[in-house]
Amino acid sequence: VRLLESGGGLLQPGGSLRLSCAASGFTFSSYAMSWVRQAPGKGLEWVSGISGSGGSTSYADSVKGRFTISRDNSKNTLYLQMSSLRAEDTALYYCTKGIRVGVTPFDYWGRGTLVTVSS
Amino acid sequence: QSALTQPASVSGSPGQSITISCTGTSSDVGGYNYVSWYQQHPGKAPKLMIYDVSNRPSGVSNRFSGSKSGNTASLTISGLQAEDEADYYCNSYTISSTLYVFGTGTKVTVL
Repeated sequence: VRLLESGGGLLQPGGSLRLSCAASGFTFSSYAMSWVRQAPGKGLEWVSGISGSGGSTSYADSVKGRFTISRDNSKNTLYLQMSSLRAEDTALYYCTKGIRVGVTPFDYWGRGTLVTVSS
Repeated sequence: QSALTQPASVSGSPGQSITISCTGTSSDVGGYNYVSWYQQHPGKAPKLMIYDVSNRPSGVSNRFSGSKSGNTASLTISGLQAEDEADYYCNSYTISSTLYVFGTGTKVTVL
């Protein structure tokens, strides 16, 4: 299993960014996926999750209405569209794989992509 | 949705056993058997150690075990080794609109 995030960078408050996660080594469409973030020197925070089919999505209250999770099962890729970014969104964003279709722990993690929001 | 409460730090000598607690509410830890634990070494991605309260993924040492009582889950590390020194986070499914909540994290130090 391999998860490779990309798309992070430095941007100003109010900006937008799309993160991608290229998955390989497993049947991508069979597993729920999530984004988890970690602010510098801080703990883990679950951000958003999506079912294997893409038909069901969930968001943390802190990002609801600003972030959109999606997936392209034909490309084995997970996305996170981020808009109206704030300084508190600064974090390392991890792509994670679930172990099953429903409520699931995260058994594989990527190395993360860093998002920095600063003026 | 507030983070689950963990002690900031726990320490022990090699060979000893330590236990990390994770306290939530009946809306998360106490209400569902969906508690998992993650180990994170500095500069590395987290690693799943325990899921569904007490299940170990393939390849995880049996020195790691999990349990739950009421609104508090626990991770026990027996036969503590130098390589166990890391940060540990619990996680639980929650009935709130935020689907999953992590704990505040515990730094384990091997003396």
